[in-house]
Formats: sequence, structure tokens, C-alpha cells
Amino acid sequence: DVKVTQSSRYLVKRTGEKVFLECVQDMDHENMFWYRQDPGLGLRLIYFSYDVKMKEKGDIPEGYSVSREKKERFSLILESASTNQTSMYLCASSSLAGVRTDTQYFGPGTRLTVL
Amino acid sequence: GNSVTQMEGPVTLSEEAFLTINCTYTATGYPSLFWYVQYPGEGLQLLLKATKADDKGSNKGFEATYRKETTSFHLEKGSVQVSDSAVYFCALDNYGQNFVFGPGTRLSVLP
Repeated sequence: DVKVTQSSRYLVKRTGEKVFLECVQDMDHENMFWYRQDPGLGLRLIYFSYDVKMKEKGDIPEGYSVSREKKERFSLILESASTNQTSMYLCASSSLAGVRTDTQYFGPGTRLTVL
Repeated sequence: GNSVTQMEGPVTLSEEAFLTINCTYTATGYPSLFWYVQYPGEGLQLLLKATKADDKGSNKGFEATYRKETTSFHLEKGSVQVSDSAVYFCALDNYGQNFVFGPGTRLSVLP
């Protein structure tokens, strides 16, 4: 079974802090994704990556950056956390490099609260 | 652009009732269609998918048929259980473009 793990289930940070959310997948998938989930809005794509050291902006990249130094790990960075970034963050991965029609496998999510 | 519309709910049913959650989409070309389920406190899991018109996806008693003529992918189950209580997301993936998720439909099944 594909396993996608996220470093924290719950996180509380203060406004202005730098926040790192880590995601690791164990199936050698090429593609990795970061979404945020908010009530009534569904999932919105923040960033994705097709390969190591490669990244592309999703629909809502403002206020976020990402890092992919190793194939299995994809990090989401909030350079200066703000209260409007309080949300559930979901990481996902899929195979078939460069083709986004494949099934995405999700981690359990990190619920981030910014005070 | 691509979009997915689904009934937001919440939907409340008694055990063994029939379930339908409507999903319609807007997309050019021939997207793949998915239903994901999110149980309380967990991430999303793939429930079923269909990659071309008239395909039927099925899993765990759930079914959905890809209807290109009505741009729909409605989720159905003949007899729901309490354990089916979750949030259900319809999604599409149009080759070369980003995944698009609907807002999710919360289902509560009462014993």
C-alpha cells in the first residue's frame, strides 16, 4: 500500500513565525502535491512537483514556498505565517511523471492554527 | 476553465437507505473523474474513478457512471451503513491541467 506521511497532525504557531510542513511518500512517486482544505471551498492546490528540485505553482501559491531536495520528500514552507493561513494542509503523491491523470494518494493532513 | 459542482449537504440518511450524491463538471476534452472519501480525522482516499465516457467505477458497494452527455458523475449506493459516514469529494483531472475538487458533501448515516 502507498503510504504518505505528514510530520504533524496538529500544529499551533504564532503570526510571523516560519513554518515547515513535511511530507514523505514511500512509493517512489514522481509527483507530489500540497493542498489546503477549507470548509465550503474543497481542496485548493498550493504547489506541486514533478521531480526533484522541480516545482510549479498551483492555484493559490501566495504566501507559500516549497522544497523538494529528495524524491520522497516534499516540504511546504510558510515564510511568515498569518492568521488567514489557518487551515488543514494535505499532501498527496502520484506516479506517472508529467501526467496528472493518475490517482493521487493523500496523507492524513496537518491542521495548522496560526494565532 | 475546469470546475466541479456537487451538492454540499449535509446529507442525513437512515441505515440501509439509498444514497445519491450529485456531481456535475465543466471541462474541455475528456477528463478523468474521481470520487474520494474522507473519514473523520483522516486524509482523502480514492473511492472510485472512471477515465472515459460510459465507464462505471465501483468500490465497496458505491458506483458512479461517467455521463458525458450530461457532464455528470453521480455517486450511488443501494444501502448505506453507519460506517459510510464521511465527506465525499468529486474531482476531475483534465490531462495537462490541475486536479479540481468539488466542495465536498458530508454524509451522516444514523442507526
